Amino acid sequence: QVQLVQSGAEVKTPGDSVKVACKASGYTFKDYVIHWVRQARGQGLEWMGRINPASGDTKYSPKFQGTVTISRDTSARTVYLEMSRLGSEDTAIYYCARALVATIDQWGQGTPVTVS
Amino acid sequence: SFGLTQDPAVSVALGQTVRITCQGDSLRSYYANWYQQKPGQPPVLVVYGQNNRPSGIPHRFSGSSSGDTASLTITGAQAEDEADYYCNSRDTSGHHLLFGGGTKVTVL
Repeated sequence: QVQLVQSGAEVKTPGDSVKVACKASGYTFKDYVIHWVRQARGQGLEWMGRINPASGDTKYSPKFQGTVTISRDTSARTVYLEMSRLGSEDTAIYYCARALVATIDQWGQGTPVTVS
Repeated sequence: SFGLTQDPAVSVALGQTVRITCQGDSLRSYYANWYQQKPGQPPVLVVYGQNNRPSGIPHRFSGSSSGDTASLTITGAQAEDEADYYCNSRDTSGHHLLFGGGTKVTVL
């Protein structure tokens, strides 16, 4: 079955960087875009950016341009989200999600990132 | 406005019908998708495109759209439908995603 399995919880200090992994299985990796979406406690969903695993093309929300890098390793079927210069406002659950363009049909389990 | 706007909360009596709306300029060009999220869980797609349901989603969930507003209707709400609901779509450029702020549905 289709699965997106994310790396484990992270605890960081302000100013640190973090890299979260999302391993895909159960489908043709290059056929679907992978988005990253975050959710602070008690808040809504916030789109950060996406990658086309086939081409490596990326798009980022203007809010995260310059502080977020999305990459992929096609041989490992894994997509990565790297964030730099973390602040307390980046404390959230980070989800990877599979989509045909904008329709997300599968989500990872989420990776909690705590910055304190 | 370049975002998607949803009402923060709505309540519905058990077995009755509730409509959740999502408003934004980009919805004049792109369909909205709808996600249900329960506490401590990732979202789940419930309606996508013009009015499509993924396998396993009950028929009581339906979608519609008019102008800059998309709607999710739950016909005959059940206790298990109590959750947060989010719309999403592309932005007007087509290159980025947008999410609405979410609507908390309470089933009375």
